[in-house]
Amino acid sequence: EAGVTQFPSHSVIEKGQTVTLRCDPISGHDNLYWYRRVMGKEIKFLLHFVKESKQDESGMPNNRFLAERTGGTYSTLKVQPAELEDSGVYFCASSQVRGLEQFFGPGTRLTVL
Amino acid sequence: AQKITQTQPGMFVQEKEAVTLDCTYDTSDPSYGLFWYKQPSSGEMIFLIYQGSYDQQNATEGRYSLNFQKARKSANLVISASQLGDSAMYFCAMRPPGGTSYGKLTFGQGTILTVHP
Repeated sequence: EAGVTQFPSHSVIEKGQTVTLRCDPISGHDNLYWYRRVMGKEIKFLLHFVKESKQDESGMPNNRFLAERTGGTYSTLKVQPAELEDSGVYFCASSQVRGLEQFFGPGTRLTVL
Repeated sequence: AQKITQTQPGMFVQEKEAVTLDCTYDTSDPSYGLFWYKQPSSGEMIFLIYQGSYDQQNATEGRYSLNFQKARKSANLVISASQLGDSAMYFCAMRPPGGTSYGKLTFGQGTILTVHP
């Protein structure tokens, strides 16, 4: 069974540009989560989808971040326009049951210059 | 609000010995879940072990066990018979009791474990 996959693995963009990160959860997992780790800080929750609905988006930093999960399968996280402080590693995770173990993808390392 | 503290930035252990990684947490909720994840240098986060706050026994998974002391609010990870492949960053995490934030994990700062041959 394939794990959680994320694309791209790395992205380097300039301040003001737009970047879209993609996450494909484990097949059959209704719950999908986004987290990020800014250098030197803890991994922080961004949001949680249940199927295509946003269950909890309390961690989204501002309106430059837009997450979607059309059709309840893969998800995208768009940053527009990107700022320097958005640099970090963005992790996606999925789970079959809410509240139990979440399976993480390898992350996307975003660098904003 | 929930908070996780990992006070050991780095730990060293000799191969085949046991090591304990510390995790303390702060929450006012009686119901919660505690997780440990491993992040090797390749970057992926690997789930290791889970402990529910109402579980009577400490969780175990192979060489991993969780020393859960509820009154002290600690959930230390014990790795027995360390292997070179255990060298990685280890994160402790907690989830809240329920509601819309039930899936939201709060992470500690992480501990880098280095296993020496």
